[in-house]
Amino acid sequence: DGGITQSPKYLFRKEGQNVTLSCEQNLNHDAMYWYRQDPGQGLRLIYYSQIVNDFQKGDIAEGYSVSREKKESFPLTVTSAQKNPTAFYLCASSIIGGRNTDTQYFGPGTRLTVL
Amino acid sequence: ILNVEQSPQSLHVQEGDSTNFTCSFPSSNFYALHWYRWETAKSPEALFVMTLNGDEKKKGRISATLNTKEGYSYLYIKGSQPEDSATYLCAFIKEAYSGAGSYQLTFGKGTKLSVIP
Repeated sequence: DGGITQSPKYLFRKEGQNVTLSCEQNLNHDAMYWYRQDPGQGLRLIYYSQIVNDFQKGDIAEGYSVSREKKESFPLTVTSAQKNPTAFYLCASSIIGGRNTDTQYFGPGTRLTVL
Repeated sequence: ILNVEQSPQSLHVQEGDSTNFTCSFPSSNFYALHWYRWETAKSPEALFVMTLNGDEKKKGRISATLNTKEGYSYLYIKGSQPEDSATYLCAFIKEAYSGAGSYQLTFGKGTKLSVIP
């Protein structure tokens, strides 16, 4: 089955620790995205990548880092510099980044709780 | 309007009722508007991508209209069923930065629909 997987579903970390969230897709999509959801807010874009070895900051990139070494993988690292890391994180992909009509396909999300 | 606004925030309807909700967005520099449905414990799924003023799209009992001049889109559900219960998100396409030639989605907070059997 084609799709996007995110692991783990729930993640707990101590304050001050970096943590990496996994996102893998087998849809052969060029573009991948990371969003964050907080209660009462819309999805906000953290980072996106239109092609391997290239990525751009979204609206709330501070305290996060990404890499895109393989087409199918786009891991997100939440660093200790992120002031409020507890949130629900969604990964998405689209066929080609940069076209305004491209539908995004979403993973199931990871809920990160920092204690 | 500077961002995407959705109303109402939540909605409870009886099974069989028809319902509609609104997405408002900046009317200048319009590129496209996306609608997604997000059921609890599942991933958001695309419903429609709308690009032209006056566009009307339909998928089963769900339809959407678009007015780019005044900056709004309506989503209609005819004869709501319990399986329609979900949060409906609209997302406005904006240019990543001026002249970028690449686009990103700006999401509204969603309308949470509950259909009571």
